[in-house]
Amino acid sequence: DAKTTQPPSMDCAEGRAANLPCNHSTISGNEYVYWYRQIHSQGPQYIIHGLKNNETNEMASLIITEDRKSSTLILPHATLRDTAVYYCIVRVAGAAGNKLTFGGGTRVLVKP
Amino acid sequence: NAGVTQTPKFQVLKTGQSMTLQCAQDMNHEYMSWYRQDPGMGLRLIHYSVGAGITDQGEVPNGYNVSRSTTEDFPLRLLSAAPSQTSVYFCASSYSRLAGGGHEQFFGPGTRLTVL
Repeated sequence: DAKTTQPPSMDCAEGRAANLPCNHSTISGNEYVYWYRQIHSQGPQYIIHGLKNNETNEMASLIITEDRKSSTLILPHATLRDTAVYYCIVRVAGAAGNKLTFGGGTRVLVKP
Repeated sequence: NAGVTQTPKFQVLKTGQSMTLQCAQDMNHEYMSWYRQDPGMGLRLIHYSVGAGITDQGEVPNGYNVSRSTTEDFPLRLLSAAPSQTSVYFCASSYSRLAGGGHEQFFGPGTRLTVL
C-alpha cells in the first residue's frame, strides 16, 4: 500500500470549512484514497473514498489532484463533534481482507 | 442491525493468563479483521478473515490466535497475556469486492485490555 503524509494537527473554527491535506506521491493506478476518522478512542468511522474523480457525500467532499499524488478532505461546515483524528489511507480495494494501514493521521480540533 | 459488537468492553489480566475477545457482526459481511491500537498510535492489523474457515496474519500476529467457524463471529484469543499486549482492540467487518463492497469498513466500539 502507498504511504501517506498528513500534517500532525490543525485547528478549525466552528462553522467554517476544514480542509485536510494528504500526500500520496507513490500511489498506484489501482489504489483508492480512503478517509476515516476516530473520535476520542471510539472505533474508526468511514468518511469517504475515491479513485480519480472528486467525490461528495453527506459527511464530506474529497478532492483528488489530476496526477493523484495528493488529495484534500473538506468538511464543509465543521462542528464541535468533528473534533477527531482523521486518517488518509491508500490501498487496493478488496486486497487482504480490505486491510487498512493507519499512519499518524491529523488531529483536528474544532474551536467555538 | 446491531452492527459490529465486541465483548468485553474492559478487561484486566495478569501476565500469563489467557482469554478470548469476542466479536460479532449481523451484516453478513464476508471480511472481518482485528486491530490493536496502542496509546497515541494508529491501528495495526493483527489477523483477518475473508470468509468462514479462512484466516490470515496481519502486521502483528504474534501472541494471538483466531478462528472463523461462522460468518458472524471472529474471536481473538490471547494465548499467554503479556504486558506488551496492553492495548485497545478493535474488530472490523466489511463486504467483499465480489459482493459489490470492499470500500467501507465498520468498526466495533473496542475492548480495552490491561495486562499486569
